Amino acid sequence: GAVVSQHPSWVICKSGTSVKIECRSLDFQATTMFWYRQFPKQSLMLMATSNEGSKATYEQGVEKDKFLINHASLTLSTLTVTSAHPEDSSFYICSALWSGGSEKLFFGSGTQLSVL
Amino acid sequence: GENVEQHPSTLSVQEGDSAVIKCTYSDSASNYFPWYKQELGKRPQLIIDIRSNVGEKKDQRIAVTLNKTAKHFSLHITETQPEDSAVYFCAASVTNSGYALNFGKGTSLLVTP
Repeated sequence: GAVVSQHPSWVICKSGTSVKIECRSLDFQATTMFWYRQFPKQSLMLMATSNEGSKATYEQGVEKDKFLINHASLTLSTLTVTSAHPEDSSFYICSALWSGGSEKLFFGSGTQLSVL
Repeated sequence: GENVEQHPSTLSVQEGDSAVIKCTYSDSASNYFPWYKQELGKRPQLIIDIRSNVGEKKDQRIAVTLNKTAKHFSLHITETQPEDSAVYFCAASVTNSGYALNFGKGTSLLVTP
């Protein structure tokens, strides 16, 4: 299947700092990517839809000024957690929409964020 | 987003038995229903999906059924093997707008030898 790379795989930061997470589609172009958050032993919660060349669409309850999304190219979307706090600690995972033939979603490997 | 309910939360079966996981959704406009398998610390892997114009789909030991009228869909795994042990998530598209998904809470499946 198509490959989606996410970096970093884990990050530890101090409270108040910002963290950038990258999601790349390695062997296909993805005009649409999605960002999810997953707390331990819980489901994936959709945060936002990232569209190449336009503003992201955020789900209700997700602060767009705190979770900055930039989809500047067809293979890269970034999520920046600004002024991170301990409650932002979570597993963040992206997915990219592959449109070769039948459309399918492929997930990145996830980023474990720990805010101290 | 719209709710996706998934049951059971845990399921234990003996090797060779069948496993069934059921999900319901609330948005009648949802038209895409994938199932993902997630092993501990790894990314979700798509195992099968179904669209609203199909009632059933099968891929070897895995099958999915969809009842649009009742707004529920199910995953069936036959002849289970220990390597099937993982967390399984169902999902439903957010309306018919594409592939933004609402996920169920997951089912932890344990297949014992």
